Amino acid sequence: GAGVSQSPRYKVAKRGQDVALRCDPISGHVSLFWYQQALGQGPEFLTYFQNEAQLDKSGLPSDRFFAERPEGSVSTLKIQRTQQEDSAVYLCASRGLGLAGHNEQFFGPGTRLTVL
Amino acid sequence: AQSVTQLDSHVSVSEGTPVLLRCNYSSSYSPSLFWYVQHPNKGLQLLLKYTSAATLVKGINGFEAEFKKSETSFHLTKPSAHMSDAAEYFCVRGAGSYQLTFGKGTKLSVIP
Repeated sequence: GAGVSQSPRYKVAKRGQDVALRCDPISGHVSLFWYQQALGQGPEFLTYFQNEAQLDKSGLPSDRFFAERPEGSVSTLKIQRTQQEDSAVYLCASRGLGLAGHNEQFFGPGTRLTVL
Repeated sequence: AQSVTQLDSHVSVSEGTPVLLRCNYSSSYSPSLFWYVQHPNKGLQLLLKYTSAATLVKGINGFEAEFKKSETSFHLTKPSAHMSDAAEYFCVRGAGSYQLTFGKGTKLSVIP
């Protein structure tokens, strides 16, 4: 079956532009996560949705970052007035329902954002 | 804060020789620990996970990891490296019911 997909795969933006990054999770997966992976670093948590509810946005680095999942499936991560420090790979992951404890998160290929 | 430390940023092995990627975690009552692999231009893939059922965890592609509480370690091993194993490997800690904290990664190179 289809995995997690993300688009675009690559995005180049001029500083100050707004960008929107899309994530299509695995069909039926309740949980959705966004991560930011800077060059040479491990992914860092940004935000978490359960269905359409954003339950945790503690990792969003500033109020320029905004995520939504209005119908509980596709999610969009929006970055306003992009800055050079926003350059990174943005990863989306989804997870289905399961038993208590940590269940596997399935990751998409990421969107590489370069801000010039 | 609960975290993981990957002791090597880059490991290079010859094809057919053993692989050892080292990871230490900060102490906790009952950690959930994972290893993920990231091939270029591909998504992160789960190799294996430890959730206290057994200290020796077997994963995909011949990888395994041993949880050692006395050493707070969760090292990843494979008896014989293949060229296709060349990738970035992340040791990951679970916190709460959904939070994942990633190490900085170890890049594995396999020399033919």
